[in-house]
Amino acid sequence: DAGITQSPRHKVTETGTPVTLRCHQTENHRYMYWYRQDPGHGLRLIHYSYGVKDTDKGEVSDGYSVSRSKTEDFLLTLESATSSQTSVYFCAISEYGQAGAFFGQGTRLTVV
Amino acid sequence: DAKTTQPNSMESNEEEPVHLPCNHSTISGTDYIHWYRQLPSQGPEYVIHGLTSNVNNRMASLAIAEDRKSSTLILHRATLRDAAVYYCILGGNSGYALNFGKGTSLLVTP
Repeated sequence: DAGITQSPRHKVTETGTPVTLRCHQTENHRYMYWYRQDPGHGLRLIHYSYGVKDTDKGEVSDGYSVSRSKTEDFLLTLESATSSQTSVYFCAISEYGQAGAFFGQGTRLTVV
Repeated sequence: DAKTTQPNSMESNEEEPVHLPCNHSTISGTDYIHWYRQLPSQGPEYVIHGLTSNVNNRMASLAIAEDRKSSTLILHRATLRDAAVYYCILGGNSGYALNFGKGTSLLVTP
């Protein structure tokens, strides 16, 4: 299995609080992605990174920010969590491109 | 971006072959065809990808129409473990963004 770890795996937080999810890889892959998955919507891209300090927005980036200060870590931050951000969040990594991307096990976030 | 169209769901019997279709009539000449699947309660996993020629690997085969406007993922012998949502995705072979649609939910029955 590819070396990709998401933390935490589960989190319950209150509306208005900041939340940071971490994606850590040991593969030294260039590309890293954050997706969210909700019933009826499939996976939607939030942000992605194509190198250290190089990030770009995806389809549903409002309310989220990311940072990548090291190759191995990609952080997703909800500055002020809302109930609409209750979701399962997946991190993915890839070395060459869209073929062969590896996904983490997901983080289930509940905002109450 | 070029779009894909897949059936919402399909059903197959165990140990039978499964053909999962994907239409992509607006595919560009440089778009690869990627397939991923997602088992229940897991993250997606890569299955196969191709550009023009048919492709085989240990998991599946990918048959690409001559005009590239459609493709078919072939599972040669379905098992219960193959029950998953299968996603057909178009894109360049770069690292930029996998755009997942709704996919096809495959049910495999004993």
